[in-house]
Amino acid sequence: GAVVSQHPSRVICKSGTSVKIECRSLDFQATTMFWYRQFPKQSLMLMATSNEGSKATYEQGVEKDKFLINHASLTLSTLTVTSAHPEDSSFYICSAAPGTAVTEAFFGQGTRLTVV
Amino acid sequence: SQQGEEDPQALSIQEGENATMNCSYKTSINNLQWYRQNSGRGLVHLILIRSNEREKHSGRLRVTLDTSKKSSSLLITASRAADTASYFCATALSGYALNFGKGTSLLVTP
Repeated sequence: GAVVSQHPSRVICKSGTSVKIECRSLDFQATTMFWYRQFPKQSLMLMATSNEGSKATYEQGVEKDKFLINHASLTLSTLTVTSAHPEDSSFYICSAAPGTAVTEAFFGQGTRLTVV
Repeated sequence: SQQGEEDPQALSIQEGENATMNCSYKTSINNLQWYRQNSGRGLVHLILIRSNEREKHSGRLRVTLDTSKKSSSLLITASRAADTASYFCATALSGYALNFGKGTSLLVTP
């Protein structure tokens, strides 16, 4: 199947700093990628849709200025958590899919962010 | 809001037994998908069932879909310790954006 690579897998940062998470589609091009957030023992919640060459679409309640998304190429989307706070600590996962037929989405390995 | 609601939230069985997880959803769907997540890892797609399908098999997995009841079930037969994971159903929000259920945490003990 298609491969989506997410980096880093774990990151610890201090409050007030920014963290960038990368999501790459390794063997296909993705005009659209998706970012999810998962709190411990909870489900995944869609944060935003990353669109190549245009602005991301954010879900209700997700702060655009806090979670900056850039999708500069067909194989890379980045999520930057700006001015991170302990409540931003979470598991962030991206997904992407090749083609236009609705089959399955491929997920990155996830990034465990801990803000101290 | 979350579309899918799985039950049970947690399930503990012994190797060799079957595990059944259920998922209910609220709105009309084109398809429903099941994913697996090992602790602290990404998601792996298991199976997709379309709205015009009632049952689908893949190896030891059997998925059913009842659109009249807006529910789906995932059956894992002859479970193994390696099946220990969280299982989520998901419906499409738009395109490939997914709305996930709360998940069932499955523990298979040797």
